[in-house]
Amino acid sequence: NAGVMQNPRHLVRRRGQEARLRCSPMKGHSHVYWYRQLPEEGLKFMVYLQKENIIDESGMPKERFSAEFPKEGPSILRIQQVVRGDSAAYFCASSPRRDPLYEQFFGPGTRLTVL
Amino acid sequence: AQKVTQAQTEISVVEKEDVTLDCVYETRDTTYYLFWYKQPPSGELVFLIRRNSFDEQNEISGRYSWNFQKSTSSFNFTITASQVVDSAVYFCALSEANAGGTSYGKLTFGQGTILTVHP
Repeated sequence: NAGVMQNPRHLVRRRGQEARLRCSPMKGHSHVYWYRQLPEEGLKFMVYLQKENIIDESGMPKERFSAEFPKEGPSILRIQQVVRGDSAAYFCASSPRRDPLYEQFFGPGTRLTVL
Repeated sequence: AQKVTQAQTEISVVEKEDVTLDCVYETRDTTYYLFWYKQPPSGELVFLIRRNSFDEQNEISGRYSWNFQKSTSSFNFTITASQVVDSAVYFCALSEANAGGTSYGKLTFGQGTILTVHP
């Protein structure tokens, strides 16, 4: 069984460009969480999605950030007009059910560097 | 609001020493889960343990052990006879788990403790 996959693993963007981060959950998992890890900090929750629905985006910055999890295909975290402060590691995790009894499995992360 | 505090920013030990990583949490939930994750230099997150708030039994897994004390809201992690391969950042985390089924496991992480084990 393949684990959670994220691509790209490393992404370099110049200020003002767009960054698209992809997360393919484990097979059978329809719940995806995105977390951000700023340099030398812990992970912070950004958004929780089920297939085709955003359930909780309380951790997402109000501007420039968006997330989706379409019926087919991976979940996408999109950052428009990136700034240097967006440089971070972005992790996604997937779970088979909404219930926290079910463990979240983390992907390897995407390291975004904004020049 | 939930909060996890790992007061130790960095710990440095010599191989074979025992080391304890502290974790203190705050939550208004009566039911919750506590976690420890390891982040080695390669950057991925490695799941170590999950604990239900109703289960205060300590747990041992090889050289790892965990001490859950609900009275002090602490969930400390001890590595016995540390090894160089234990060098990593360790995160403690908390998720809600209310009986009403409306929670969904959003994790709140501590700042992490950087553990360096010297040969």
